Amino acid sequence: AQSVSQHNHHVILSEAASLELGCNYSYGGTVNLFWYVQYPGQHLQLLLKYFSGDPLVKGIKGFEAEFIKSKFSFNLRKPSVQWSDTAEYFCAVSHNAGNNRKLIWGLGTSLAVNP
Amino acid sequence: DADVTQTPRNRITKTGKRIMLECSQTKGHDRMYWYRQDPGLGLRLIYYSFDVKDINKGEISDGYSVSRQAQAKFSLSLESAIPNQTALYFCATSDFTSGRGETQYFGPGTRLLVL
Repeated sequence: AQSVSQHNHHVILSEAASLELGCNYSYGGTVNLFWYVQYPGQHLQLLLKYFSGDPLVKGIKGFEAEFIKSKFSFNLRKPSVQWSDTAEYFCAVSHNAGNNRKLIWGLGTSLAVNP
Repeated sequence: DADVTQTPRNRITKTGKRIMLECSQTKGHDRMYWYRQDPGLGLRLIYYSFDVKDINKGEISDGYSVSRQAQAKFSLSLESAIPNQTALYFCATSDFTSGRGETQYFGPGTRLLVL
């Protein structure tokens, strides 16, 4: 079965530290990849997505992610985090084959940024 | 996303009661989803609908039912609520186009407490 693994369940950083959150998936075919963010008390918002083309994807609020097909990975990065980045981050994957596809979600990574 | 609304936003109910959570969208999307979110378990898919006549069970559909009243409306019912259905419920829509990727857009969520 397809799965998405987020290695870090809880991350604590100080402001200005660099961030990298890991995401690996198990599907071997063509995939669409997503990172969503959920700020405290809010709904999920799309941070960035990869469908095709340049494997380095830039999203909102200074986030970026790199799709490495050979490693089945789509890690999220930010060079300098802010207190306002405190949130839960979800990686999701859908395989780009057929019409009956759904998103497979990782369990999420909780990020706390200390001021 | 303001284009996807959920009512109620918060609900407290008692074991055995029937309740309905409603979702409306103005995005014109055919596809709609119901998820529940529990701490440490990420997002789990309850039901999804690819159009008004197409409704499918997700990974945790037991104890839930849905109704797709129109393209814009997708309701989730708990026929006889039980305490382990206490969770945060999200509705989502997606902009699926055949042969291309799709992005899901989430409502603000309904926080349900079953006593």
